[in-house]
Amino acid sequence: GQNIDQPTEMTATEGAIVQINCTYQTSGFNGLFWYQQHAGEAPTFLSYNVLDGLEEKGRFSSFLSRSKGYSYLLLKELQMKDSASYLCAPLTGPDKLIFGTGTRLQVFP
Amino acid sequence: AAGVIQSPRHLIKEKRETATLKCYPIPRHDTVYWYQQGPGQDPQFLISFYEKMQSDKGSIPDRFSAQQFSDYHSELNMSSLELGDSALYFCASSSQGREAFFGQGTRLTVV
Repeated sequence: GQNIDQPTEMTATEGAIVQINCTYQTSGFNGLFWYQQHAGEAPTFLSYNVLDGLEEKGRFSSFLSRSKGYSYLLLKELQMKDSASYLCAPLTGPDKLIFGTGTRLQVFP
Repeated sequence: AAGVIQSPRHLIKEKRETATLKCYPIPRHDTVYWYQQGPGQDPQFLISFYEKMQSDKGSIPDRFSAQQFSDYHSELNMSSLELGDSALYFCASSSQGREAFFGQGTRLTVV
């Protein structure tokens, strides 16, 4: 079976740093994606990890540990527009991208 | 740059009717995914196609079927619609296992 766990909600203040954790148990693993989704809109790609370690991309970084089934998304210098849901999505097969329940992040001034 | 195109953007159907949703992936992308997202829910994987062949299936009801055509566009057919089928339906495409790009979605309302 597939199991993906993320915190349901998080809050932070503008300018701060927030880390969103994701643990997963999947029958296959071909890499892990993070997506951002604003309400009523399509998910947009943020980052991709296939090997262990940290991938940095501007204000966003993502980390993966395959042996631990763990990933996190780090958002720095938070802005109000970062208020959104963040979805952890393991690629469990060559063509099967599964989403976690998402973490709703609210950024306050 | 070309994006994933979905049509229609909004659709209202009555119970027990049939709906067809269309998806035009990004050119040269080899994989198409379909997702269903209910209010406040995460996107649920329905089905995927690789090079026009069905490659994986998720929690897709038997009343739903999908196919990918020779021009790479895909259609999701939904029959005997139920109120619970009201949701946002996203199509996404990717190339060689890299990031999936999502269309803007079709909002289906069943009344």
